[in-house]
Amino acid sequence: AQTVTQSQPEMSVQEAETVTLSCTYDTSESDYYLFWYKQPPSRQMILVIRQEAYKQQNATENRFSVNFQKAAKSFSLKISDSQLGDAAMYFCAYSLNSGNTPLVFGKGTRLSVIA
Amino acid sequence: DAGVIQSPRHEVTEMGQEVTLRCKPISGHNSLFWYRQTMMRGLELLIYFNNNVPIDDSGMPEDRFSAKMPNASFSTLKIQPSEPRDSAVYFCASSPRGFPPGQPQHFGDGTRLSIL
Repeated sequence: AQTVTQSQPEMSVQEAETVTLSCTYDTSESDYYLFWYKQPPSRQMILVIRQEAYKQQNATENRFSVNFQKAAKSFSLKISDSQLGDAAMYFCAYSLNSGNTPLVFGKGTRLSVIA
Repeated sequence: DAGVIQSPRHEVTEMGQEVTLRCKPISGHNSLFWYRQTMMRGLELLIYFNNNVPIDDSGMPEDRFSAKMPNASFSTLKIQPSEPRDSAVYFCASSPRGFPPGQPQHFGDGTRLSIL
Protein backbone atom coordinates (compact mmCIF):
# COMPACT_ATOMS: atom_id res chain seq x y z
CA ALA A 1 0.00 0.00 0.00
CA GLN A 2 1.11 3.50 -0.72
CA THR A 3 1.95 5.79 2.18
CA VAL A 4 2.74 9.48 2.44
CA THR A 5 4.74 10.93 5.32
CA GLN A 6 5.03 14.55 6.35
CA SER A 7 7.55 14.70 9.15
CA GLN A 8 6.99 18.33 10.14
CA PRO A 9 3.71 18.77 12.04
CA GLU A 10 4.30 22.52 12.31
CA MET A 11 6.48 25.09 10.58
CA SER A 12 6.76 28.85 10.76
CA VAL A 13 8.24 31.43 8.43
CA GLN A 14 8.74 35.16 8.47
CA GLU A 15 6.76 37.13 5.96
CA ALA A 16 8.69 37.53 2.67
CA GLU A 17 11.03 34.67 3.54
CA THR A 18 11.23 31.20 1.97
CA VAL A 19 10.11 27.96 3.59
CA THR A 20 10.31 24.34 2.52
CA LEU A 21 7.82 21.67 3.57
CA SER A 22 8.95 18.05 3.40
CA CYS A 23 7.13 15.00 2.09
CA THR A 24 8.23 11.45 1.45
CA TYR A 25 6.17 8.62 0.05
CA ASP A 26 6.39 4.93 -0.48
CA THR A 27 5.16 3.15 -3.59
CA SER A 28 6.16 0.28 -5.83
CA GLU A 29 4.58 1.97 -8.84
CA SER A 30 6.58 3.88 -11.44
CA ASP A 31 3.79 6.02 -12.86
CA TYR A 32 1.95 8.23 -10.40
CA TYR A 33 1.13 11.79 -9.48
CA LEU A 34 1.96 13.93 -6.50
CA PHE A 35 0.06 16.93 -5.22
CA TRP A 36 0.22 19.61 -2.59
CA TYR A 37 -3.11 20.84 -1.23
CA LYS A 38 -3.62 23.84 1.03
CA GLN A 39 -6.31 23.92 3.70
CA PRO A 40 -6.87 27.35 5.26
CA PRO A 41 -9.03 27.79 8.38
CA SER A 42 -12.08 27.95 6.11
CA ARG A 43 -11.33 24.19 5.60
CA GLN A 44 -11.46 24.38 1.80
CA MET A 45 -9.02 22.02 0.07
CA ILE A 46 -7.16 24.05 -2.53
CA LEU A 47 -4.77 22.52 -5.05
CA VAL A 48 -1.41 24.25 -4.89
CA ILE A 49 0.72 22.28 -7.32
CA ARG A 50 0.89 18.94 -9.16
CA GLN A 51 3.81 16.84 -10.34
CA GLU A 52 3.78 13.96 -12.80
CA ALA A 53 6.25 11.24 -11.81
CA TYR A 54 7.39 10.71 -15.41
CA LYS A 55 8.50 14.33 -15.71
CA GLN A 56 11.98 15.15 -14.50
CA GLN A 57 11.33 18.87 -14.50
CA ASN A 58 10.09 20.21 -11.19
CA ALA A 59 6.67 21.85 -11.27
CA THR A 60 6.35 25.56 -10.53
CA GLU A 61 3.30 27.72 -9.89
CA ASN A 62 4.17 31.35 -9.21
CA ARG A 63 5.73 31.46 -5.70
CA PHE A 64 5.31 27.71 -5.22
CA SER A 65 7.75 25.13 -6.52
CA VAL A 66 8.60 21.54 -5.77
CA ASN A 67 11.77 19.53 -5.48
CA PHE A 68 10.86 16.10 -6.80
CA GLN A 69 13.45 13.38 -6.19
CA LYS A 70 11.97 10.20 -7.62
CA ALA A 71 14.74 7.84 -6.55
CA ALA A 72 14.56 9.15 -3.01
CA LYS A 73 10.74 9.24 -3.12
CA SER A 74 10.81 12.80 -1.89
CA PHE A 75 8.50 15.66 -2.86
CA SER A 76 9.10 18.91 -1.00
CA LEU A 77 7.24 22.19 -1.45
CA LYS A 78 9.06 25.50 -1.47
CA ILE A 79 7.13 28.69 -0.84
CA SER A 80 9.00 31.84 -1.78
CA ASP A 81 8.22 35.37 -0.61
CA SER A 82 5.82 34.00 2.01
CA GLN A 83 2.63 35.96 2.55
CA LEU A 84 0.22 36.07 5.48
CA GLY A 85 -2.36 34.35 3.29
CA ASP A 86 -0.09 31.32 2.97
CA ALA A 87 -0.81 30.38 6.58
CA ALA A 88 -2.68 27.07 6.42
CA MET A 89 -2.40 23.31 6.70
CA TYR A 90 -0.53 21.82 3.76
CA PHE A 91 -1.15 18.25 2.68
CA CYS A 92 1.05 16.20 0.43
CA ALA A 93 -0.90 13.60 -1.58
CA TYR A 94 -0.24 10.75 -3.99
CA SER A 95 -2.35 9.06 -6.61
CA LEU A 96 -1.82 6.44 -9.25
CA ASN A 97 -1.52 7.44 -12.87
CA SER A 98 -5.01 8.60 -13.53
CA GLY A 99 -7.46 11.16 -12.23
CA ASN A 100 -9.85 8.40 -11.32
CA THR A 101 -8.04 6.88 -8.38
CA PRO A 102 -8.14 8.06 -4.78
CA LEU A 103 -5.65 10.35 -3.14
CA VAL A 104 -3.49 9.11 -0.29
CA PHE A 105 -2.71 11.99 2.04
CA GLY A 106 0.02 12.75 4.51
CA LYS A 107 -0.95 13.99 7.96
CA GLY A 108 -0.24 17.57 7.06
CA THR A 109 2.04 20.42 8.08
CA ARG A 110 0.61 23.50 9.77
CA LEU A 111 2.37 26.59 8.42
CA SER A 112 2.35 29.84 10.35
CA VAL A 113 3.49 33.10 8.74
CA ILE A 114 4.90 35.72 11.08
CA ALA A 115 4.46 39.36 10.16
CA ASP B 1 -18.51 27.31 -13.01
CA ALA B 2 -20.02 25.79 -9.90
CA GLY B 3 -17.68 23.67 -7.87
CA VAL B 4 -18.49 20.58 -5.86
CA ILE B 5 -21.48 21.35 -3.68
CA GLN B 6 -21.94 19.67 -0.32
CA SER B 7 -24.81 19.98 2.10
CA PRO B 8 -25.28 20.61 4.90
CA ARG B 9 -22.21 22.59 5.83
CA HIS B 10 -22.68 21.78 9.50
CA GLU B 11 -24.73 19.05 11.14
CA VAL B 12 -25.24 18.52 14.84
CA THR B 13 -27.32 15.58 15.94
CA GLU B 14 -27.73 13.16 18.78
CA MET B 15 -26.28 9.71 18.95
CA GLY B 16 -28.46 7.10 17.31
CA GLN B 17 -29.96 9.43 14.72
CA GLU B 18 -29.65 8.88 10.98
CA VAL B 19 -27.38 11.35 9.20
CA THR B 20 -27.41 12.00 5.45
CA LEU B 21 -24.68 13.98 3.76
CA ARG B 22 -25.16 15.14 0.19
CA CYS B 23 -22.85 15.92 -2.68
CA LYS B 24 -23.27 17.34 -6.15
CA PRO B 25 -20.11 16.85 -8.24
CA ILE B 26 -18.92 19.18 -10.95
CA SER B 27 -20.87 18.62 -14.15
CA GLY B 28 -19.01 16.32 -16.51
CA HIS B 29 -16.83 14.77 -13.82
CA ASN B 30 -17.11 11.01 -13.81
CA SER B 31 -15.38 10.14 -10.54
CA LEU B 32 -16.62 10.96 -7.05
CA PHE B 33 -14.80 10.44 -3.78
CA TRP B 34 -15.87 10.64 -0.14
CA TYR B 35 -13.14 11.41 2.40
CA ARG B 36 -13.25 11.84 6.16
CA GLN B 37 -10.95 14.15 8.10
CA THR B 38 -10.23 13.72 11.80
CA MET B 39 -7.45 14.95 14.03
CA MET B 40 -6.34 11.43 14.84
CA ARG B 41 -6.44 9.81 11.41
CA GLY B 42 -6.11 12.78 9.05
CA LEU B 43 -7.75 12.55 5.62
CA GLU B 44 -8.82 9.08 4.63
CA LEU B 45 -10.84 7.68 1.77
CA LEU B 46 -14.20 6.18 2.60
CA ILE B 47 -15.48 5.19 -0.84
CA TYR B 48 -15.25 6.22 -4.46
CA PHE B 49 -17.32 5.87 -7.60
CA ASN B 50 -16.43 5.82 -11.27
CA ASN B 51 -19.34 6.42 -13.64
CA ASN B 52 -21.76 6.06 -10.71
CA VAL B 53 -20.43 2.59 -9.84
CA PRO B 54 -18.78 2.01 -6.44
CA ILE B 55 -15.20 0.91 -7.03
CA ASP B 56 -13.68 0.69 -3.57
CA ASP B 57 -15.58 0.90 -0.30
CA SER B 58 -12.89 -0.67 1.86
CA GLY B 59 -12.53 2.58 3.78
CA MET B 60 -16.12 2.58 5.01
CA PRO B 61 -15.73 2.03 8.76
CA GLU B 62 -18.58 -0.39 9.29
CA ASP B 63 -22.05 -1.35 8.21
CA ARG B 64 -23.50 1.77 9.75
CA PHE B 65 -22.07 3.67 6.79
CA SER B 66 -23.53 3.48 3.31
CA ALA B 67 -23.09 5.54 0.14
CA LYS B 68 -25.02 5.78 -3.08
CA MET B 69 -24.67 7.53 -6.38
CA PRO B 70 -28.01 7.16 -8.19
CA ASN B 71 -26.93 9.42 -11.06
CA ALA B 72 -23.98 11.42 -12.30
CA SER B 73 -25.01 14.56 -10.45
CA PHE B 74 -25.77 13.36 -6.95
CA SER B 75 -24.34 11.21 -4.17
CA THR B 76 -25.26 10.57 -0.55
CA LEU B 77 -23.37 9.26 2.44
CA LYS B 78 -25.54 7.91 5.23
CA ILE B 79 -24.70 6.97 8.78
CA GLN B 80 -27.29 4.95 10.68
CA PRO B 81 -27.17 4.86 13.64
CA SER B 82 -24.70 7.65 14.27
CA GLU B 83 -22.16 7.53 17.11
CA PRO B 84 -19.99 10.23 18.73
CA ARG B 85 -16.86 8.75 17.11
CA ASP B 86 -18.33 9.58 13.70
CA SER B 87 -17.79 13.26 14.44
CA ALA B 88 -15.49 14.58 11.70
CA VAL B 89 -15.38 16.69 8.57
CA TYR B 90 -16.62 14.79 5.54
CA PHE B 91 -15.40 15.88 2.13
CA CYS B 92 -16.73 15.04 -1.27
CA ALA B 93 -14.44 15.45 -4.28
CA SER B 94 -14.85 14.89 -8.00
CA SER B 95 -12.50 14.58 -10.94
CA PRO B 96 -12.92 14.39 -14.69
CA ARG B 97 -12.12 11.45 -16.89
CA GLY B 98 -8.40 11.00 -16.65
CA PHE B 99 -7.04 12.51 -19.86
CA PRO B 100 -4.61 13.92 -19.67
CA PRO B 101 -4.05 11.63 -16.67
CA GLY B 102 -3.45 12.99 -13.22
CA GLN B 103 -6.39 15.35 -13.28
CA PRO B 104 -6.64 16.87 -9.81
CA GLN B 105 -9.61 16.27 -7.61
CA HIS B 106 -11.86 19.21 -6.82
CA PHE B 107 -13.14 19.30 -3.27
CA GLY B 108 -16.36 20.57 -1.80
CA ASP B 109 -16.30 22.73 1.31
CA GLY B 110 -16.98 19.72 3.53
CA THR B 111 -19.63 18.91 6.10
CA ARG B 112 -18.65 19.26 9.74
CA LEU B 113 -20.56 16.55 11.57
CA SER B 114 -20.93 16.57 15.34
CA ILE B 115 -22.62 13.65 17.07
CA LEU B 116 -23.57 14.39 20.67
